[in-house]
Amino acid sequence: DGGITQSPKYLFRKEGQNVTLSCEQNLNHDAMYWYRQDPGQGLRLIYYSQIVNDFQKGDIAEGYSVSREKKESFPLTVTSAQKNPTAFYLCATQGLAGGEQYFGPGTRLTVT
Amino acid sequence: AQSVTQPDIHITVSEGASLELRCNYSYGATPYLFWYVQSPGQGLQLLLKYFSGDTLVQGIKGFEAEFKRSQSSFNLRKPSVHWSDAAEYFCAVGAGFDFGNEKLTFGTGTRLTIIP
Repeated sequence: DGGITQSPKYLFRKEGQNVTLSCEQNLNHDAMYWYRQDPGQGLRLIYYSQIVNDFQKGDIAEGYSVSREKKESFPLTVTSAQKNPTAFYLCATQGLAGGEQYFGPGTRLTVT
Repeated sequence: AQSVTQPDIHITVSEGASLELRCNYSYGATPYLFWYVQSPGQGLQLLLKYFSGDTLVQGIKGFEAEFKRSQSSFNLRKPSVHWSDAAEYFCAVGAGFDFGNEKLTFGTGTRLTIIP
């Protein structure tokens, strides 16, 4: 069954703790993306990776970190330096440069 | 760099009525264009895409969109909406095979409400 898996669906953390969001894909796509979504603000790009062991900052990378050790996996760590981490996080893959992106189901992170 | 504008934040239509959601883009060459739909708490699902060729593209769920180069637009249409079409709709633009510019740029979305 091909697709993108994000886990968990809901995540709760205390302020000051780092948290890692998982994104796994079996679509054999080279490019992977992380977006943050807040009500009424659309999608904002956090980080993206076009190839294993390489990634670039998006528009709102401060307070986040990523790794790309395997083609299938692109985990996102929300660090304690992120001022307002509560949001809906979406992972996406892209098989063709400039082509459509495929999205996972998302993880809703709540930090209190 | 490319950009996308969705001028309507929220649209309300009656069930069975026709629908048109607006999308305007900015890009110097021929863009790749997309429409996505998002139900609350879910990921985005691709409705349709335009790469080249016929400017009227058909998508899933009975949606279609028309690429108009002269107006820099890619509006989404449906002749008769169903209550299940209530969702958030995002337009996106890509630069195609533009090395170093492989990302998509998304609009801020249009929320669609359906009334009985």
